[in-house]
Amino acid sequence: DTGVSQNPRHKITKRGQNVTFRCDPISEHNRLYWYRQTLGQGPEFLTYFQNEAQLEKSRLLSDRFSAERPKGSFSTLEIQRTEQGDSAMYLCASSPGRPRDEQYFGPGTRLTVT
Amino acid sequence: GESVGLHLPTLSVQEGDNSIINCAYSNSASDYFIWYKQESGKGPQFIIDIRSNMDKRQGQRVTVLLNKTVKHLSLQIAATQPGDSAVYFCATTGTASKLTFGTGTRLQVTL
Repeated sequence: DTGVSQNPRHKITKRGQNVTFRCDPISEHNRLYWYRQTLGQGPEFLTYFQNEAQLEKSRLLSDRFSAERPKGSFSTLEIQRTEQGDSAMYLCASSPGRPRDEQYFGPGTRLTVT
Repeated sequence: GESVGLHLPTLSVQEGDNSIINCAYSNSASDYFIWYKQESGKGPQFIIDIRSNMDKRQGQRVTVLLNKTVKHLSLQIAATQPGDSAVYFCATTGTASKLTFGTGTRLQVTL
């Protein structure tokens, strides 16, 4: 399968714990995006990378959130000191970049903070 | 900021009929538009895209129409099938690469 993959698919954690999610983009896609989606809403942009450089971060990305893409391939999203409001689906997408910049999404990681 | 809205939260169509899902956007600088389909528990699936220098684009059973004058986008699905049942999102980018999504329209296909 050459699509975007995300691990884990589901994560249940207690409030205050740290969690880390991984995203493997489509190979040769140099852009990688993180979005968050809550029930009944469309995905909201969090951050994106062009190769290993993090080019933009949303105001939604508080200091407890950090994302990395150290070698320009896979990416990790870490949430420290989780809160119940962090419960959501975390989606990763990748794209080949301009001129065709269509973003392809992974299946997401569903986080539940208890 | 950008906002993307959908006119109908739920659309019910009979199998075999054509479906039309509408979307309004507010940012006149938006230059790229995508329609996604999302089934329950899955990530959004790319359907079709269109750039602002076009007003129509066709795919397999789907057509996207763009009216920049009134900032309106529509997705037409021909001969709707039960497998088309899902939530459909329009999304747009402006000067940045990030996508701004609407809240979605749920398409229900009845037999």
